[in-house]
Amino acid sequence: DTEVTQTPKHLVMGMTNKKSLKCEQHMGHRAMYWYKQKAKKPPELMFVYSYEKLSINESVPSRFSPECPNSSLLNLHLHALQPEDSALYLCASSQGIQGDQPQHFGDGTRLSIL
Amino acid sequence: EDQVTQSPEALRLQEGESSSLNCSYTVSGLRGLFWYRQDPGKGPEFLFTLYSAGEEKEKERLKATLTKKESFLHITAPKPEDSATYLCAVQASGFNKFYFGSGTKLNVKP
Repeated sequence: DTEVTQTPKHLVMGMTNKKSLKCEQHMGHRAMYWYKQKAKKPPELMFVYSYEKLSINESVPSRFSPECPNSSLLNLHLHALQPEDSALYLCASSQGIQGDQPQHFGDGTRLSIL
Repeated sequence: EDQVTQSPEALRLQEGESSSLNCSYTVSGLRGLFWYRQDPGKGPEFLFTLYSAGEEKEKERLKATLTKKESFLHITAPKPEDSATYLCAVQASGFNKFYFGSGTKLNVKP
């Protein structure tokens, strides 16, 4: 079982819907990440939070809006998505942002845009 | 330019047939090299971290090694349950310098 929990596991939404993805970790990690992964490709970094502050935004469209309510929780708010946004969305956490500690991943949310 | 390249793209082995996966990297100032295993529909599962050339880590049938230019993941006497995509990732010096390789899909046949 992974120590990073993501909900829901699957999500189907229309292009006009608003939905949120949730991620939770209880390892005391202070860095949390959102990744997007398309089929047969490696994960692509979207956002990084360090000590609950947004540190990195990899030029992600504004239809994706991250939120870090506290050190254990990470949300990704979705609005007006496009079919090409269909992918596996992964959350990860690590002890710090310096990168010499591994990231631990959840099992992702499989998102389908109709 | 920072780069991480994995080879081969896909590898088919018979059960018990040992082999190695390669991760070549060109980055400015290696902070850490990470190996992950990813099963279909799941998130990457952390396997190993390597920090400096000459370092080796082992876990069951897997052994990871590191040189100044590349890392190998050696699989000894693999079993069908070792079938997965193996991802290599590198953290270089500097903010926001974390790079995944494209992965090696391993298929072990009984």
